[in-house]
Amino acid sequence: DIQMTQSPSTLSAYVGDRVTISCRASQSINNWLAWYQQKPGRAPQVLIYKASTLKSGVPSRFSGSGSGTEFTLSISSLQPDDFAIYYCQYYKSSSGYTFGQGTKLEI
Amino acid sequence: QVQLDQSGAEVKKSGASVQIACKASGYIFKNFFLHWVRQAPGQGLEWMGWINPETGDTDYAQTFKGRITMTRDMSTNTVYMDLSGLKSDDTARYFCAREVRAFDIWGQGTMVTVSS
Repeated sequence: DIQMTQSPSTLSAYVGDRVTISCRASQSINNWLAWYQQKPGRAPQVLIYKASTLKSGVPSRFSGSGSGTEFTLSISSLQPDDFAIYYCQYYKSSSGYTFGQGTKLEI
Repeated sequence: QVQLDQSGAEVKKSGASVQIACKASGYIFKNFFLHWVRQAPGQGLEWMGWINPETGDTDYAQTFKGRITMTRDMSTNTVYMDLSGLKSDDTARYFCAREVRAFDIWGQGTMVTVSS
């Protein structure tokens, strides 16, 4: 099975900062990579799919990049609403739809 | 609008089974796979499996094979997830999610608490 590893586990930042979260796959995943945001007590919401395509309605300060095994989620200017947990996911697999362990973005 | 509505919270004893429902509305039910994902308290997301509503075909994560069953009812646009042999570490919130360009729509989650 493909494993997804995120870093860091926790990220402290200020409003207005630019931040980057990394996600590494144990083997090439052909850009079948999504990023989700989850707030306490809520279901996750997809931000980006196919590694770099922003879901309609998601603010443009979010962006995704990468290919093969190395991917990043960037937030260009943190807003108070962005403090949450972020997960990457390999979502096109005959062997599972694997999530990373999550990155908590805190103030 | 497109939404997934899940059944309410459950409290079960160890060894029991639980069934959670996920009712789809606002789109053509048979057209998109539905997945189940769980999240233990304070932990990350764990994919459990999918069902193809059109055919009833399923695929389950290895972790759950043998004690998970997913079914669907085309007359009510509802999928069901049955988990048997419950243990304390099955205590979690269970989500259904539609797969369209990743998991684009999620249910609100169903809390399952397993006690001894």
